[in-house]
Amino acid sequence: DAKTTQPNSMESNEEEPVHLPCNHSTISGTDYIHWYRQLPSQGPEYVIHGLTSNVNNRMASLAIAEDRKSSTLILHRATLRDAAVYYCIATSGSRLTFGEGTQLTVNP
Amino acid sequence: DTGVSQNPRHKITKRGQNVTFRCDPISEHNRLYWYRQTLGQGPEFLTYFQNEAQLEKSRLLSDRFSAERPKGSFSTLEIQRTEQGDSAMYLCASSREWGETQYFGPGTRLLVL
Repeated sequence: DAKTTQPNSMESNEEEPVHLPCNHSTISGTDYIHWYRQLPSQGPEYVIHGLTSNVNNRMASLAIAEDRKSSTLILHRATLRDAAVYYCIATSGSRLTFGEGTQLTVNP
Repeated sequence: DTGVSQNPRHKITKRGQNVTFRCDPISEHNRLYWYRQTLGQGPEFLTYFQNEAQLEKSRLLSDRFSAERPKGSFSTLEIQRTEQGDSAMYLCASSREWGETQYFGPGTRLLVL
């Protein structure tokens, strides 16, 4: 699995967009980029994943750099329920290798 | 609710005791994973099953830990002779097949006194 680097924490205001960055400079060609989030006292929750192209789903968008060495998770309108630790994972295998993630705080 | 379930949700035990956790994956999910998470850290992979076969074990899984998945359905994780360092959240996840999204359960929080 490629090592990923994320900021320890980020802050946003409610109903504003949030861009969560992730660096994965050693990513291999077969590694998918996964994003999970974890609310307090809960298991991680799948958010989105992609390989090369940008991806959208009902929760978020994933923007992947052309060289795939970085990606950005975009929450279009943050809500208080989006406050969580967000993990970026780059892997081609079965196991998920979590880092410490980014703690997102959403201010009302 | 058809998500991944884990029991018990909390367990307090004394050092040296054995504990067993259960995970019920989403129906028809062939793959089942165990992770461990300590405070302030991301989850760490322990082991995974493809149906009833245990295919990979992390170095974190010492010989005091054993996991089973009889008949490829639910799974159990047993810790023998617990130590205070075993205190953590134990998470279970399942996926349909290799490379597909993993869905996590709520976890079992273990405290070893």
